[in-house]
Amino acid sequence: SAVISQKPSRDICQRGTSLTIQCQVDSQVTMMFWYRQQPGQSLTLIATANQGSEATYESGFVIDKFPISRPNLTFSTLTVSNMSPEDSSIYLCSVARDSSGIKDEQFFGPGTRLTVL
Amino acid sequence: DAKTTQPTSMDCAEGRAANLPCNHSTISGNEYVYWYRQIHSQGPQYIIHGLKNNETNEMASLIITEDRKSSTLILPHATLRDTAVYYCIVRVTDSSYKLIFGSGTRLLVRP
Repeated sequence: SAVISQKPSRDICQRGTSLTIQCQVDSQVTMMFWYRQQPGQSLTLIATANQGSEATYESGFVIDKFPISRPNLTFSTLTVSNMSPEDSSIYLCSVARDSSGIKDEQFFGPGTRLTVL
Repeated sequence: DAKTTQPTSMDCAEGRAANLPCNHSTISGNEYVYWYRQIHSQGPQYIIHGLKNNETNEMASLIITEDRKSSTLILPHATLRDTAVYYCIVRVTDSSYKLIFGSGTRLLVRP
């Protein structure tokens, strides 16, 4: 398995500001992902964080709003920029290892609960 | 990836088997069925996955129909800690590793 930590666990921010969320894994992983879970909703994939290159964003998400960094195989950050109340959500990172015969599953972090006033 | 349909909510008694259905009638031959669950205030947790054969692990069993258009996740002896939202996801096991979550089934295990 993989142990994932996220910082901060929660935050309350003012509109127009930005927040950077950190995701740290206890082992090297091939793939890292960022998800958003709006109140009472399911998870929506934001982007795949690629090590050493630009992230790959899903439809409806753009780099200017959600810049992502992935400097190495154990760490990634997601920034929520120029926040509005609609950005109030739980943001989760997840990781997957190259299966190569290993059980093909993703491990999720505990999430960052963001409230924008 | 194929779309899945799950009941919005279900309940079962503690100690009994919980059978959670999922329809995936448009599944392709190279798409796997995955199940994850999300306990309140936690990140999702992998349960099990399969292609066409039934699968069993320490958490659950996965029964996939012969035509692969539907499946059932079975928790053999549900406990209160199994109360969660259960997501059935169909995806190709390719290098993208992307998971597309549907709305899931909210399972309530009653004492």
